[in-house]
Amino acid sequence: DTEVTQTPKHLVMGMTNKKSLKCEQHMGHRAMYWYKQKAKKPPELMFVYSYEKLSINESVPSRFSPECPNSSLLNLHLHALQPEDSALYLCASSSPGMGQKNTEAFFGQGTRLTVV
Amino acid sequence: KNQVEQSPQSLIILEGKNCTLQCNYTVSPFSNLRWYKQDTGRGPVSLTIMTFSENTKSNGRYTATLDADTKQSSLHITASQLSDSASYICVVSAPYGNKLVFGAGTILRVKS
Repeated sequence: DTEVTQTPKHLVMGMTNKKSLKCEQHMGHRAMYWYKQKAKKPPELMFVYSYEKLSINESVPSRFSPECPNSSLLNLHLHALQPEDSALYLCASSSPGMGQKNTEAFFGQGTRLTVV
Repeated sequence: KNQVEQSPQSLIILEGKNCTLQCNYTVSPFSNLRWYKQDTGRGPVSLTIMTFSENTKSNGRYTATLDADTKQSSLHITASQLSDSASYICVVSAPYGNKLVFGAGTILRVKS
């Protein structure tokens, strides 16, 4: 199984809503990532979890709150988002880390988020 | 600043034709270089991954080359198909940390 599964595939939320994005992998990867991708732009790194601990936060606004309950799951909690936060949110995983030789990184299919 | 630049920005070719996409990078030190295919609104799918000691890597009709001395890579697509229409992204990683440096991608359109 080389899949990274993200749910939901699509999400529309109001600016006062609270929602969560979920990501799951069963490849035994110990590094998991959240990326944000705007149309026709490359993905931008948001957070990295390594061995269930937050290792990188790319100065993401606090309205995005990541959580890694265990080595297979990664959540992104959303609260009080703005319309400009609308984007494709991608989850990825790798083992042991992206910088290691021949480390494969797998991406999920993404959650298309629209903030209204 | 670590950068990855891709060319062309976009490309239109006829079905059955070959094409080559270019990637230049300044990431140093360098650990590996990956090519991904991304369909619109979907997650990137890995095509190839190469370390600095590898010169070429193939995956079906996709062949990637790497020249670590000149910091250049190319992705050659043979006998293109309509399903090859997508964005092709060159991604470079350094030996330490967990960050990938993404190129802006080349948007390929294959038409019949």
